Amino acid sequence: SQQGEEDPQALSIQEGENATMNCSYKTSINNLQWYRQNSGRGLVHLILIRSNEREKHSGRLRVTLDTSKKSSSLLITASRAADTASYFCAQDSSYKLIFGSGTRLLVRP
Amino acid sequence: NAGVTQTPKFRVLKTGQSMTLLCAQDMNHEYMYWYRQDPGMGLRLIHYSVGEGTTAKGEVPDGYNVSRLKKQNFLLGLESAAPSQTSVYFCASSPRQGWTEAFFGQGTRLTVV
Repeated sequence: SQQGEEDPQALSIQEGENATMNCSYKTSINNLQWYRQNSGRGLVHLILIRSNEREKHSGRLRVTLDTSKKSSSLLITASRAADTASYFCAQDSSYKLIFGSGTRLLVRP
Repeated sequence: NAGVTQTPKFRVLKTGQSMTLLCAQDMNHEYMYWYRQDPGMGLRLIHYSVGEGTTAKGEVPDGYNVSRLKKQNFLLGLESAAPSQTSVYFCASSPRQGWTEAFFGQGTRLTVV
């Protein structure tokens, strides 16, 4: 399977804390994307980092990419209860978008 | 602007029945994808299409067929449904490969009894 893995599978933090999720993938990529899914809903795109980039920021999101280790991390700073959701990384390569297994984030008020 | 629309939203099938899930996008996107999502498994790619008239197999294609006769529509067919195909199915589209995000539909919850 080309499906990547995410770590941790579940994360519970207090509002205001930072949340870090890690993603490992298996194939060479054009880019690495992160998506968010609220319970029972479709996925929403958060941020895309290209294979020649090492770090990218968008609001409270920070993404890093290490192509030598085939890994990426997503940091959400100053978390809010509304950030509670599942987060998925997706490797974009060879015309396919392959998703990881996801991290379930719970932000406690 | 509707984006990506999936039809139906819910369906219950008996084992052995057939059905077609419809995905329609109004953004003139070239790429379209069908995924299934099972608890603890994330999203797994079933089939995808890089343009009108083309289709290709993803990670878990067995038991499914697809067609892309029109650019805006991507159909997923189950010829003989099995309980193992109980899942939530998501369709997505993107303008082109390599540099852009994918847009998702709201999902179809399918139960095979």
